[in-house]
Amino acid sequence: EAEVAQSPRYKITEKSQAVAFWCDPISGHATLYWYRQILGQGPELLVQFQDESVVDDSQLPKDRFSAERLKGVDSTLKIQPAELGDSAMYLCASSSLQYNEQFFGPGTRLTVL
Amino acid sequence: AQKVTQAQTEISVVEKEDVTLDCVYETRDTTYYLFWYKQPPSGELVFLIRRNSFDEQNEISGRYSWNFQKSTSSFNFTITASQVVDSAVYFCALPNYGGSQGNLIFGKGTKLSVKP
Repeated sequence: EAEVAQSPRYKITEKSQAVAFWCDPISGHATLYWYRQILGQGPELLVQFQDESVVDDSQLPKDRFSAERLKGVDSTLKIQPAELGDSAMYLCASSSLQYNEQFFGPGTRLTVL
Repeated sequence: AQKVTQAQTEISVVEKEDVTLDCVYETRDTTYYLFWYKQPPSGELVFLIRRNSFDEQNEISGRYSWNFQKSTSSFNFTITASQVVDSAVYFCALPNYGGSQGNLIFGKGTKLSVKP
């Protein structure tokens, strides 16, 4: 069964360091989402891609976060520099244009010390 | 604005009990979809159901059932004869931009603990 892949699963870093997360969506899914989930809360959108184009990055802290999906397939989310408040679960999801169920990857749990 | 409210923060039941998770939503759209996801301790969000606002029929899938009432803007989820494996956080969600596409707006989730 097709799945959304994410790596790494866990990341511990010190504040002011750079971190990067990778996501490979389900094959053929044009839409890719990055969500951030703080403990005890629901996921919140950081950025949405349609193929290689950004559709919505209104909630992305652009002074330190960046995201790209160069070939419209896999995607990378970067934080530089990381801050203590960035500790959270980072979830990637993808959906097809035809059916809008979003399928989520296992997430990357980030801890900033 | 789009909003999802899950008033129950945590629920604890004993195995084989029935349990209902509440979801109330606000939307600016006349047609929309609603979703439920399950998040077990491993962290991955698992898709459970998508419901179109056109269809107010209740849906049943095994021990799971969903009650959609447009008049009260509610989309409640019932687990019949709960099992320990049902222990997870459950999220209700709707698309931010209406219709079927766009990012999801999630409630804060209800943590369900099923004890043996």
